[in-house]
Amino acid sequence: ELKVEQNPLFLSMQEGKNYTIYCNYSTTSDRLYWYRQDPGKSLESLFVLLSNGAVKQEGRLMASLDTKARLSTLHITAAVHDLSATYFCAVGDDMRFGAGTRLTVKP
Amino acid sequence: KAGVTQTPRYLIKTRGQQVTLSCSPISGHRSVSWYQQTPGQGLQFLFEYFSETQRNKGNFPGRFSGRQFSNSRSEMNVSTLELGDSALYLCASSSGGGLYGYTFGSGTRLTVV
Repeated sequence: ELKVEQNPLFLSMQEGKNYTIYCNYSTTSDRLYWYRQDPGKSLESLFVLLSNGAVKQEGRLMASLDTKARLSTLHITAAVHDLSATYFCAVGDDMRFGAGTRLTVKP
Repeated sequence: KAGVTQTPRYLIKTRGQQVTLSCSPISGHRSVSWYQQTPGQGLQFLFEYFSETQRNKGNFPGRFSGRQFSNSRSEMNVSTLELGDSALYLCASSSGGGLYGYTFGSGTRLTVV
């Protein structure tokens, strides 16, 4: 059964700093999604990664996929408070989710 | 265009009862997936429907069932409710088999007392 692990589970950052969230998965897949969830809200789609080496960027967020290593990263550049949320990766056709990374950006 | 609509938004039920939740996908989306979100277990996949056929199913007991209609609207049913079924139930729709991502609805918050 596909297992998806995210780390860290909790991340407290200062504004202006850079950091990376990691998503490892246990079986071969060429489809990976990143979502954002604000407290009390639903999930917002951030990125869809469909092939080995895929890299996508939107604002201060950049996601990449290494299917051989079964690893995706979500890199945060120069964090701002508005990025505080929980970030989920999901893998495969039926989107099995990781536990989520709760990100807090402090001034 | 309209997003994914889930009804009702909130629901309180008693143990042993059954409940039906509804999801209307974005127009033109033929795939609908259902997820259960709880603080302890996180986001867990329930099932996926495409063109009225269940394509995938997660590891939930048979009390959890679903269906999809010809207009792509989907319902999920939970029978013999247990306290542990209290959760946020999310549905998501997609076109192109998820190649362009999934759009989630706002969810139905189910509380079982």
